Amino acid sequence: AQSVTQLDSQVPVFEEAPVELRCNYSSSVSVYLFWYVQYPNQGLQLLLKYLSGSTLVKGINGFEAEFNKSQTSFHLRKPSVHISDTAEYFCAVSGHQGGKLIFGQGTELSVKP
Amino acid sequence: NAGVMQNPRHLVRRRGQEARLRCSPMKGHSHVYWYRQLPEEGLKFMVYLQKENIIDESGMPKERFSAEFPKEGPSILRIQQVVRGDSAAYFCASSPNTGFANTEAFFGQGTRLTVV
Repeated sequence: AQSVTQLDSQVPVFEEAPVELRCNYSSSVSVYLFWYVQYPNQGLQLLLKYLSGSTLVKGINGFEAEFNKSQTSFHLRKPSVHISDTAEYFCAVSGHQGGKLIFGQGTELSVKP
Repeated sequence: NAGVMQNPRHLVRRRGQEARLRCSPMKGHSHVYWYRQLPEEGLKFMVYLQKENIIDESGMPKERFSAEFPKEGPSILRIQQVVRGDSAAYFCASSPNTGFANTEAFFGQGTRLTVV
């Protein structure tokens, strides 16, 4: 079985400041890792994913995430946030066979001017 | 290429009524997933379907909920005799195949069900 824990439910940050959204996972098998963003009243949009290879993954909108196998973490970072980054962010895992995604509880990022 | 289309976007039902949620996957996608998002919670997997087959329904409540993905037409998530606890956002996602190595699951905008 797999599980995902997002350690912060809310992260307030000022515009142009750096941000890190934390994600830890648990799995007995190898997994793929994902970050999705959800804007208000919208569906989910894929930010980035880790499949294999380089542990630093770059995604859209200037986000990146680093896979750390020993710490079973996949933290999302952005060096300078914008007001428009205000949204809910979800970390997710799937097995290599695909199928369902297992989501964390979400982190609400609030960027203030 | 239109994205994943879900309708209706908002649905209000009285307790005891039936709710039918529709999902049209992206063109060329034969895999559909349904997720439920309760207030202040993340998305919970409900069911994974391919055309005419249920592949994984481990997240479906045992009673009142059913899903189908017929050969023709959209996937349907059906909730019978709705209760207030069914109020949630229901999201559908689709993908062209089962693995995410070379693709991704694309999400619809969701159906927000309110039971009064």
